[in-house]
Amino acid sequence: AQKITQTQPGMFVQEKEAVTLDCTYDTSDPSYGLFWYKQPSSGEMIFLIYQGSYDQQNATEGRYSLNFQKARKSANLVISASQLGDSAMYFCAMRGTTGANNLFFGTGTRLTVIP
Amino acid sequence: DVKVTQSSRYLVKRTGEKVFLECVQDMDHENMFWYRQDPGLGLRLIYFSYDVKMKEKGDIPEGYSVSREKKERFSLILESASTNQTSMYLCASSRGETSYEQYFGPGTRLTVT
Repeated sequence: AQKITQTQPGMFVQEKEAVTLDCTYDTSDPSYGLFWYKQPSSGEMIFLIYQGSYDQQNATEGRYSLNFQKARKSANLVISASQLGDSAMYFCAMRGTTGANNLFFGTGTRLTVIP
Repeated sequence: DVKVTQSSRYLVKRTGEKVFLECVQDMDHENMFWYRQDPGLGLRLIYFSYDVKMKEKGDIPEGYSVSREKKERFSLILESASTNQTSMYLCASSRGETSYEQYFGPGTRLTVT
């Protein structure tokens, strides 16, 4: 069975500082993928970053980077130089093994950026 | 620009009513998904479809059914709405087996009274 765990219900960060959002996962499948999505108060889920289990390097997308530690089964999201617009819910997700590649989501972390 | 639209942002229904939630994507994606989102539980998969007229149960299909008669449209049906189905419902789509990113609609907040 696949499982995603986000242990931080809420996080605070000072504007312009970096913040790490934790995500651990569990799967017996050797091939998997990990995602991070952002959900602002408007409700829409916004794709941020993807890491494949066989990718040699950690994924990066602008101010977002994924700290992928395969042996520890962790896929933490690092946001550098936080901005007020980064305040949102953040969800870690894992790709399923069906042909449609459905996602399993964690419970989310609410990030608040303080001016 | 990719687009997933949902028929309503907010919906209020009575217990026992039949409820239809519509989702349309304009990206010619093969896969479509329905999730419900509840505080402290994250998103949970209700049903998904990988082709027209094909459907698969997700983690919490009880009390729901789906319909996909056309590639671009995926409907979620609550046969007899109950108060425990009050939730945020999110539709998503993705291209196919080799494309993993899912594109989400704005969500429908359903309240069953």
